[in-house]
Amino acid sequence: DTGVSQDPRHKITKRGQNVTFRCDPISEHNRLYWYRQTLGQGPEFLTYFQNEAQLEKSRLLSDRFSAERPKGSFSTLEIQRTEQGDSAMYLCASSAPGEGNTEAFFGQGTRLTVV
Amino acid sequence: AQSVTQLGSHVSVSEGALVLLRCNYSSSVPPYLFWYVQYPNQGLQLLLKYTTGATLVKGINGFEAEFKKSETSFHLTKPSAHMSDAAEYFCAVTFSSNTGKLIFGQGTTLQVKP
Repeated sequence: DTGVSQDPRHKITKRGQNVTFRCDPISEHNRLYWYRQTLGQGPEFLTYFQNEAQLEKSRLLSDRFSAERPKGSFSTLEIQRTEQGDSAMYLCASSAPGEGNTEAFFGQGTRLTVV
Repeated sequence: AQSVTQLGSHVSVSEGALVLLRCNYSSSVPPYLFWYVQYPNQGLQLLLKYTTGATLVKGINGFEAEFKKSETSFHLTKPSAHMSDAAEYFCAVTFSSNTGKLIFGQGTTLQVKP
């Protein structure tokens, strides 16, 4: 297993365009998270999946953002009508189930630049 | 509200000197505590974690941290800094083992001078 994989690593898009990011978690990890990190800040929680169910969404996740995990494996994060304020690093993480098994393994992130 | 505060956005030490990065949290329930390291344009790598049991936790690369409930702190230390330790360090907590959702501090940039 090569860990959590994110694609693409970098994305430059024009304002108003839609973008989609993909995350492949560690196999057998049923929990998957998306975080957003802006320059000089710590990551902020966006949303959480357990298997295919999206169980929690942050108020940071506006209506332009949607995330899916259709078969409980990989996940996608789509941003519609991108704005310059969406420029950030988008991090995906996964973790195994169980009490105390709360260690999250992070991917290398997708850096989005909206011009 | 539950939160994490890292005192000092930038810390500079000389190679071989003690590293001390501070982290305090606010919560009415016992947290799980983590320290992550991030190198430029990379994801986060776990250094160490505290869940239950011994309050002094040892991690990778010679780092350790001590959970002090009375002080609501989880400071990260390393006896002797190496140049390779220069990176961004994040303290994080989760208050729910059911979800594992992490709340991060603002981060501390560690500079190591030769």
